[in-house]
Amino acid sequence: GAGVSQTPSNKVTEKGKYVELRCDPISGHTALYWYRQSLGQGPEFLIYFQGTGAADDSGLPNDRFFAVRPEGSVSTLKIQRTERGDSAVYLCASSLRGLEKTQYFGPGTRLLVL
Amino acid sequence: AQTVTQSQPEMSVQEAETVTLSCTYDTSENNYYLFWYKQPPSRQMILVIRQEAYKQQNATENRFSVNFQKAAKSFSLKISDSQLGDTAMYFCAFGTQGGSEKLVFGKGTKLTVNP
Repeated sequence: GAGVSQTPSNKVTEKGKYVELRCDPISGHTALYWYRQSLGQGPEFLIYFQGTGAADDSGLPNDRFFAVRPEGSVSTLKIQRTERGDSAVYLCASSLRGLEKTQYFGPGTRLLVL
Repeated sequence: AQTVTQSQPEMSVQEAETVTLSCTYDTSENNYYLFWYKQPPSRQMILVIRQEAYKQQNATENRFSVNFQKAAKSFSLKISDSQLGDTAMYFCAFGTQGGSEKLVFGKGTKLTVNP
């Protein structure tokens, strides 16, 4: 079946602009995660959704970052007033509830802020 | 806070040989899982193997096995009969069952399998 998809695959923007990154999880997966992976690092947790609600947003670095999942499926990560330090690969993962269930990752969106 | 440490930034192995990647972690939790993920140049993270902390038996998946030492908080990955397709970044990760099931990742080990 279809895996997790993310669009766009690459995004180049200018400092100060607004960007939206989209994640389509595997159908039926109630849990959805966003991670950020900077160059040479492992992924870092940003936010976790269980259904429509953000169950844990403790990883969001500041109030410029926001994510929604209005219908419990597709999620959008929104970044306002982008800064050069936001440049990274943004990964989305989905799973059924419980760590015994595999988190399936998408291919990521590479964001470059000039 | 949980931390995951991978002390080997890069490793290489000859095709068909065995290699072991190291990982240590720090937590005060009792109910947790440990994972090894593979990330090839395509960027897609793929689960290699999973270990439940309460299980003493080491997990195995075909050519991949782990050495889980709970008291030492060590979780190494052994790859047997290495193949060229095993070339990738390997990340060790930790997750706590219940609540936010986010994963905490190490910095990764870049593994190169040489022909």
